[in-house]
Amino acid sequence: EDQVTQSPEALRLQEGESSSLNCSYTVSGLRGLFWYRQDPGKGPEFLFTLYSAGEEKEKERLKATLTKKESFLHITAPKPEDSATYLCAVQAATDSWGKLQFGAGTQVVVTP
Amino acid sequence: NAGVTQTPKFQVLKTGQSMTLQCAQDMNHNSMYWYRQDPGMGLRLIYYSASEGTTDKGEVPNGYNVSRLNKREFSLRLESAAPSQTSVYFCASMPQGASYEQYFGPGTRLTVT
Repeated sequence: EDQVTQSPEALRLQEGESSSLNCSYTVSGLRGLFWYRQDPGKGPEFLFTLYSAGEEKEKERLKATLTKKESFLHITAPKPEDSATYLCAVQAATDSWGKLQFGAGTQVVVTP
Repeated sequence: NAGVTQTPKFQVLKTGQSMTLQCAQDMNHNSMYWYRQDPGMGLRLIYYSASEGTTDKGEVPNGYNVSRLNKREFSLRLESAAPSQTSVYFCASMPQGASYEQYFGPGTRLTVT
């Protein structure tokens, strides 16, 4: 059974204090790993898709990396506006309908 | 473009009542999805529709039915609501192609008492 585990559950950072979020996954063949950002009371917003081990994607202060068993979301010099819950999801190679398995998320709070 | 819209935003039901959650997208996407989000459990897929005229069960379909009314609209129905269905419900859509990015609506917060 596909499984996605995110850690830590919550992270409190000072503005400018870089850190990483972890997403460990178990899937019988990976089609894609997705990162989403979710603000309180809103729907998830797409950030990145990673397809193969060694791949990296960047967007502003966020950088996502992928290995065969986990993905990291690095937040460099975060600002208060980076406060959100970050969700990781995987799509199995056997699926072509967009069926995603989500982790529970990491809640990030960045204080000034 | 409004993207993905959902109505209502909030709803309180009594056990046994029925209701339909509405979802519409104006991006001409083929695929649409219904998820529920519960604290500590992440998003779980209830039903999906790969294209107009087709629907399939996801991970947690029991107690729900769906209708893909046309390419734009995908509704979720609770025939006899139970307290275990208290949750936040999200609709999403995805364009045809290889990227598999999904676009989410703002959600419906449902409480069943």
